[in-house]
Amino acid sequence: AQTVTQSQPEMSVQEAETVTLSCTYDTSESDYYLFWYKQPPSRQMILVIRQEAYKQQNATENRFSVNFQKAAKSFSLKISDSQLGDAAMYFCAMMLKAAGNKLTFGGGTRVLVKP
Amino acid sequence: DAGVIQSPRHEVTEMGQEVTLRCKPISGHNSLFWYRQTMMRGLELLIYFNNNVPIDDSGMPEDRFSAKMPNASFSTLKIQPSEPRDSAVYFCASSQTPGMGTGELFFGEGSRLTVL
Repeated sequence: AQTVTQSQPEMSVQEAETVTLSCTYDTSESDYYLFWYKQPPSRQMILVIRQEAYKQQNATENRFSVNFQKAAKSFSLKISDSQLGDAAMYFCAMMLKAAGNKLTFGGGTRVLVKP
Repeated sequence: DAGVIQSPRHEVTEMGQEVTLRCKPISGHNSLFWYRQTMMRGLELLIYFNNNVPIDDSGMPEDRFSAKMPNASFSTLKIQPSEPRDSAVYFCASSQTPGMGTGELFFGEGSRLTVL
């Protein structure tokens, strides 16, 4: 069975600074997607960034970037130039292509942004 | 597109009552998922459908829970009878057919259920 682990329950960052969220996962499959979802207080789940396992290049979306280490099964998220609107719960998730589009989520990391 | 639409947004009921949560997926999406979110257990997959057929219901907690998808544009999650431990936020999500598209799941805003 696949698992996703986020070891940081909460992270705090100063506005305009950078914060990195950790995520590790475990699977015996080789073909999968990895995602980071953001859940603000409105509770809407919003896709932040996605990475395909067969792509070595790290995904980037504006101020959000990932460090994907396939051998280490690590998928961290870096938020640069943090803004007040980045304050939310962040969930790392994995989807095995062979298992339909089911997402397995980590436990989440709460990000606090200090003005 | 209007996105995934869930109703009700909030539901407060008493133990023993029947609860029905509703979901309209994004048009053209063939996969539909029901997730439950609690503080203790995080986000758990309850059941998912592909082309209106239940594919994996191993996450459904017990027989009190049932889900249906009578057509491509509508799904329900029913709890009968409800219990206080069912209190949670229930999310519906949809995606394109597995193996197609980006693999992204699009989530509704969730239904917050409180069972007294």
